[in-house]
Amino acid sequence: QSVLTQPPSASGTPGQRVTISCSGSSSNIGPNPVNWYQQVPGQAPKLLIYINNQRPSGVPDRFSGSKSGTSASLAISGLQSDDEADYYCAAWDDSLNAGVFGGGTKLTVL
Amino acid sequence: QVQLVESGGGLVQPGGSLKLSCAASGFSFSDYFMIWIRQAPGKGLEWVSHISSSGLTTYYTDSVKGRFTISRDNTKKSLFLQMNSLRADDTAVYYCARDQVRLDYWGQGIMVTVSS
Repeated sequence: QSVLTQPPSASGTPGQRVTISCSGSSSNIGPNPVNWYQQVPGQAPKLLIYINNQRPSGVPDRFSGSKSGTSASLAISGLQSDDEADYYCAAWDDSLNAGVFGGGTKLTVL
Repeated sequence: QVQLVESGGGLVQPGGSLKLSCAASGFSFSDYFMIWIRQAPGKGLEWVSHISSSGLTTYYTDSVKGRFTISRDNTKKSLFLQMNSLRADDTAVYYCARDQVRLDYWGQGIMVTVSS
């Protein structure tokens, strides 16, 4: 049972825009920034979005993040086949004094 | 460039011990919190343990408290995870990662299998 809640799956066709949600609480997403990670099967997770909506260098601007209250979202526009991966949200939890993850969302490009 | 390389994984019997290491390079290791994260086969990510830059503050998720010990050697730019009394549900890929706020760099991961 993950502390942050994500849908287990999402899908879209090439070129489409998809969003993945991440729901938390007043001890994690509420007061703290949210990060998003992309994990291609067999590889380590890679930072995709940090501090809610910032992209590390090298991440295409097709990826964007937002946060409102105790929820956050990752949007992927212009969907491509190599976007097929697992996506995880994460935030610091002030009650646990540790980071927490969402359960992950498997994105399928149809 | 920043690199994190884990080692020390493998197959161990229930009740056994392993010590994971994470060798860091390409950044000022002593300036950063470091974290161990694990991923059981087919499952999501779990924050296992972290240690402050100085080593004075540590955290353990409830399921590993009293069994795992995190440590670091800033002079050798290395992070460690001593794992004792291993159980089947500790079977996972273990990743070390940098910076508790961003987790901006991850190692490639090391497999730990607990089985008789």
